[in-house]
Amino acid sequence: EPEVTQTPSHQVTQMGQEVILRCVPISNHLYFYWYRQILGQKVEFLVSFYNNEISEKSEIFDDQFSVERPDGSNFTLKIRSTKLEDSAMYFCASGVRPTGELFFGEGSRLTVL
Amino acid sequence: AQSVTQLDSQVPVFEEAPVELRCNYSSSVSVYLFWYVQYPNQGLQLLLKYLSGSTLVKGINGFEAEFNKSQTSFHLRKPSVHISDTAEYFCAVSPKTNAGKSTFGDGTTLTVKP
Repeated sequence: EPEVTQTPSHQVTQMGQEVILRCVPISNHLYFYWYRQILGQKVEFLVSFYNNEISEKSEIFDDQFSVERPDGSNFTLKIRSTKLEDSAMYFCASGVRPTGELFFGEGSRLTVL
Repeated sequence: AQSVTQLDSQVPVFEEAPVELRCNYSSSVSVYLFWYVQYPNQGLQLLLKYLSGSTLVKGINGFEAEFNKSQTSFHLRKPSVHISDTAEYFCAVSPKTNAGKSTFGDGTTLTVKP
C-alpha cells in the first residue's frame, strides 16, 4: 500500500539553526500539506501546496518557514532560524481533492534546544 | 472558520464493551468530516469520512460514525472494542471549497482495559 514517508524521524537542533524536513508523498497525489503537533496540543495546519506553489498558509507559517518541491518526488519544509517554540512533531500529508482526506506520514519530531 | 470540539479528552473502557467518542463542530460553510486514529509514535491514519449521502458511515477496524447536521455532530462508535483500539482519536473537518485544510479537535485518548 502506498504511503507517505518522512525523514528524519527525529532531529535535535540548536536555536537559530536551519532545519529541513523531508517528505515523499504518495506518487499520484497532487496536493501536499504540512501540519504540526506541539506536544499535548492539537494538530495544526501549516501550509498547503499545489501545482508548485503555496495555495494556502496559516498564521503560524511566517517568513521563517518555506516549502519546496525540488523534484518530482520530494516535498520539503524549511525552517530558517529555529526557535524553541518550533519544537513539535511535523506531519507531512498528501491528498486528492475534492474529498479532502489526508494521508499522513509518521512525522518528524523536531527538538530545538 | 471552523472549530471542532471533542467532548471527552479521555475515555477508559473495558475490552468488548461499546464505546462512543463525541465530536461537535461549527462551520459557516459546508464541510467534510473525518475521524483519524493515532497509535503511539505513529502518524495519523484515516478511520472514516463523511462526504455526502448516508449519514451513517463505516470505517476500518469496525468503527462507524453518524453525521447529524442539526446537532452539528459526528460521533464515533464501536460496538465492541479490543485492546488494540487503545490510541488517540481525532475528529477533523475540512471545508468543501478548500478540502485538505483540515481543522482538528484536541483528540480523545481511548484506553481499553482487559
